[in-house]
Amino acid sequence: DQQVKQNSPSLSVQEGRISILNCDYTNSMFDYFLWYKKYPAEGPTFLISISSIKDKNEDGRFTVFLNKSAKHLSLHIVPSQPGDSAVYFCAASAKVGNEKLTFGTGTRLTIIP
Amino acid sequence: GAVVSQHPSWVICKSGTSVKIECRSLDFQATTMFWYRQFPKQSLMLMATSNEGSKATYEQGVEKDKFLINHASLTLSTLTVTSAHPEDSSFYICSARPGTGAYGYTFGSGTRLTVV
Repeated sequence: DQQVKQNSPSLSVQEGRISILNCDYTNSMFDYFLWYKKYPAEGPTFLISISSIKDKNEDGRFTVFLNKSAKHLSLHIVPSQPGDSAVYFCAASAKVGNEKLTFGTGTRLTIIP
Repeated sequence: GAVVSQHPSWVICKSGTSVKIECRSLDFQATTMFWYRQFPKQSLMLMATSNEGSKATYEQGVEKDKFLINHASLTLSTLTVTSAHPEDSSFYICSARPGTGAYGYTFGSGTRLTVV
């Protein structure tokens, strides 16, 4: 039972354009969402997070949008840079402090120079 | 920033042997650490929650006798894969959270285990 889904296994974007990565979840108890970036043979690196009380959070080139009614979140990267090429995972937790993260299946983002 | 060190980064072992993976929080204390496993092109799956000074909490379907977890101090958790088999070959990652709140989980660099 995949409670967090990333339906696009891969995405290619031209350098300088916007990258949009999507994530859907099924568990209505999730109230905190995170995005991680991962390179091969390395651990994930935290990018940005959002609480369910918000619908948008922005940090530099990264913006996360949350649509609770649709159980959908997205990560926008603009402008995209070659160094952004990696696998991106969204993750969710049911309660701040619960500490258990449920990860999506990941989307491999390739930035084309 | 918070750093989690994981060792070894890769290991090859023979079937039937045991392998120990260490996870250390270098500049913070972690009463709780987490162990994940990732198969190729799949998501990170939580295996167990490691609790300092008490027994680990395992996720459904994870054999606690096969994946022994010890969290003897506030900065060290170990995962021992006992009697390893080729199907245990995977990428194992630990994580810890240096503060309160769900943000800020720090992950180790992972361990690639290959059982031959």
